[in-house]
Amino acid sequence: AQSVAQPEDQVNVAEGNPLTVKCTYSVSGNPYLFWYVQYPNRGLQFLLKYITGDNLVKGSYGFEAEFNKSQTSFHLKKPSALVSDSALYFCAVRDGNTGFQKLVFGTGTRLLVSP
Amino acid sequence: DAGVTQSPTHLIKTRGQQVTLRCSPKSGHDTVSWYQQALGQGPQFIFQYYEEEERQRGNFPDRFSGHQFPNYSSELNVNALLLGDSALYLCASSSPTGGGTEAFFGQGTRLTVV
Repeated sequence: AQSVAQPEDQVNVAEGNPLTVKCTYSVSGNPYLFWYVQYPNRGLQFLLKYITGDNLVKGSYGFEAEFNKSQTSFHLKKPSALVSDSALYFCAVRDGNTGFQKLVFGTGTRLLVSP
Repeated sequence: DAGVTQSPTHLIKTRGQQVTLRCSPKSGHDTVSWYQQALGQGPQFIFQYYEEEERQRGNFPDRFSGHQFPNYSSELNVNALLLGDSALYLCASSSPTGGGTEAFFGQGTRLTVV
């Protein structure tokens, strides 16, 4: 069975500073990993994914994530935070060895960027 | 290109009633999944439809059922509503047959059961 842990309920960072939102995962097969962002009263917006290849993946709005197989982690990063990045961030995993598309999500991390 | 669209955006129902939520997938997508997101929680997988059949199901009771139409659109039906069914219901579409790996989500339907 798959699972995702996001250990921080909230991350606070000042505008212009780098940010990291943490995610660790567990999956029996080949991990397909995703980050989504959710703004208030909205659905989920896809940011980036890791399927295979380079461990550092780049996504939308300047976000990137680093896949670490030995630590089973997939932390989301951005070199310089913006106030508009304030939102709820979800990490998700699915087993790439199956044909099913079921995503397992973490509980989410609220990012608050202060001016 | 329209993304994933869901209707209605908000809905209020009484305990015991039945509700139908609708989803149109992103153009070119043939697989639709439904998720329930309770307040303060991450989305939970309900089920997935492909080729008009339920392919995979999460840990939800039989009160939750669905359907996929030949044009790939989908419905989620919930019978005998409980207060605990109040949540944001999200539809996601993807295209595994087209090589896509990520799912795209609609804006959701906020269901309130009173």
